[in-house]
Amino acid sequence: EAQVTQNPRYLITVTGKKLTVTCSQNMNHEYMSWYRQDPGLGLRQIYYSMNVEVTDKGDVPEGYKVSRKEKRNFPLILESPSPNQTSLYFCASSLKGPRGAVRTEAFFGQGTRLTVV
Amino acid sequence: RKEVEQDPGPFNVPEGATVAFNCTYSNSASQSFFWYRQDCRKEPKLLMSVYSSGNEDGRFTAQLNRASQYISLLIRDSKLSDSATYLCVVNGLPSGTYKYIFGTGTRLKVLA
Repeated sequence: EAQVTQNPRYLITVTGKKLTVTCSQNMNHEYMSWYRQDPGLGLRQIYYSMNVEVTDKGDVPEGYKVSRKEKRNFPLILESPSPNQTSLYFCASSLKGPRGAVRTEAFFGQGTRLTVV
Repeated sequence: RKEVEQDPGPFNVPEGATVAFNCTYSNSASQSFFWYRQDCRKEPKLLMSVYSSGNEDGRFTAQLNRASQYISLLIRDSKLSDSATYLCVVNGLPSGTYKYIFGTGTRLKVLA
């Protein structure tokens, strides 16, 4: 079954304790990205990756890191989490369209609800 | 001005009603347009892509108006199961840019 898998689904942690949220897709998609969703603000892009070893900042990258060592995996790293990073996080993947543009459907993981206390 | 704007609603409609949502976008160079559906705190899922000529999928019809820079979604014969948040999604910039821009969503409640 084609899917994007995120883990963990729920996480409560303390300020400053490094954490990693994993994301894996089995569709051989080039493009992967991370979003956070907060009430009234919608989905905001944190980081994205166009292919292996190619990553770039989205709209709200501060406090986050990513890596893309393999095509299927795109982990999100919070080196020193703070309470303002409490949010619902989604990983997504899609195919690269013609001329590199994003034209195709994005598939989302089930989300990770993170609480930082 | 936000890049993609939607009326947050909620739109409360009775079963069987027809309801329409609009979404405006600011970047005239946008190339791809989508409607996604999101159930409460779950992942967004593609409802339909929006094509220049307009397209229909069962009870759902999507339209694109490039001149006025908006897309619309029409739902006919609303069902209770249509209750959800509908996200307008626009591809941000011309080729070479990997970016979807999401509206904040329009909430629909279909009432029995």
